[in-house]
Amino acid sequence: DGGITQSPKYLFRKEGQNVTLSCEQNLNHDAMYWYRQDPGQGLRLIYYSQIVNDFQKGDIAEGYSVSREKKESFPLTVTSAQKNPTAFYLCASSIRDRVYEQYFGPGTRLTVT
Amino acid sequence: AQKVTQAQTEISVVEKEDVTLDCVYETRDTTYYLFWYKQPPSGELVFLIRRNSFDEQNEISGRYSWNFQKSTSSFNFTITASQVVDSAVYFCALSHSGGYQKVTFGTGTKLQVIP
Repeated sequence: DGGITQSPKYLFRKEGQNVTLSCEQNLNHDAMYWYRQDPGQGLRLIYYSQIVNDFQKGDIAEGYSVSREKKESFPLTVTSAQKNPTAFYLCASSIRDRVYEQYFGPGTRLTVT
Repeated sequence: AQKVTQAQTEISVVEKEDVTLDCVYETRDTTYYLFWYKQPPSGELVFLIRRNSFDEQNEISGRYSWNFQKSTSSFNFTITASQVVDSAVYFCALSHSGGYQKVTFGTGTKLQVIP
């Protein structure tokens, strides 16, 4: 079955540590996205990538970094510079330029203490 | 700029009642897409429907129906005879067509269906 995998479901880290969230897709999609979800704020775009080895900042990229070395993978690193990293993170993918047809992963809930 | 407003933060209904979730959008473009997603407690967003701006026909899918009205910039979602499994957060979203155009999400409406 094709889909998007995010692991782990729950992640705990100490403040000051970088942490990398994984996102893998086997849908053969060119484009991938990372969103952050906070209570009462909907989804906000962190980074997106329309093709391998290329990515663009979204609305709230500060304190985050990404890489896109493979079509199937788009890991997100939450750095110590992110002031409020505790949130629910969702990864999505789509056919390139068809941003209106995104498929979402199950999400990773990150808690930083 | 584009914006999606879901004024209802939380709604509670008793099972079998009908419920309508409101969505109002703002955009300057004439060509755009509107969506509804469901987010159950498990967290994954489930796509429900996509509508393009040129198609104002209402749509019905089982107990779900959608009312798209360009005159009022609204895309409301009605669940008929609600069930406990409908309990979730529902997001309305907007995107434009052509090249990369990001999706703008509303803040979501949490629906609780009480047995």
